[in-house]
Amino acid sequence: GQSLEQPSEVTAVEGAIVQINCTYQTSGFYGLSWYQQHDGGAPTFLSYNGLDGLEETGRFSSFLSRSDSYGYLLLQELQMKDSASYFCAVHDKIIFGKGTRLHILP
Amino acid sequence: SQTIHQWPATLVQPVGSPLSLECTVEGTSNPNLYWYRQAAGRGLQLLFYSVGIGQISSEVPQNLSASRPQDRQFILSSKKLLLSDSGFYLCAWASRYEAFFGQGTRLTVV
Repeated sequence: GQSLEQPSEVTAVEGAIVQINCTYQTSGFYGLSWYQQHDGGAPTFLSYNGLDGLEETGRFSSFLSRSDSYGYLLLQELQMKDSASYFCAVHDKIIFGKGTRLHILP
Repeated sequence: SQTIHQWPATLVQPVGSPLSLECTVEGTSNPNLYWYRQAAGRGLQLLFYSVGIGQISSEVPQNLSASRPQDRQFILSSKKLLLSDSGFYLCAWASRYEAFFGQGTRLTVV
């Protein structure tokens, strides 16, 4: 089977940096992606890692270590609008983690 | 560009009634299509996925079924809804690297 583990909640201060970790167990792994979901909305894609290493997209970065079955999403210069839930997901058949609720304090 | 349409946005149905949610994709051919359900404050549970017309994989035994009558159409159905079928239903199509979601249908079974 497949399972993903990520923290249920994280709290950070506006302007700070926060890291959301994700560990996974799966067969047929092709890559790890990250999604953001605001309350009442649909998830939106943030980043994808198919190979080990760091991918950077603006304030967001994502890291993957295939040997450790581990990845993380790094959010820099946090803004209040970043308050949302963040999900990691494994490919090929896209299976999502249970999500991390990010709370940002002013 | 690719777009995905899902409707309706909200739906209130009595227990025991049938359900049909439709999802269509534009701007891509032979997409991989997915149905997910999300309970309030919870993660996305994969219900069904399809790699082609008439090819449906069910991930979780349940009171729902899915069909793909056309390349870019994916339908989620139930013959008799249960209270436990309430939730936020999301259709998605996926490339190798990312999934694109419809707006979702918030279903309340009463």
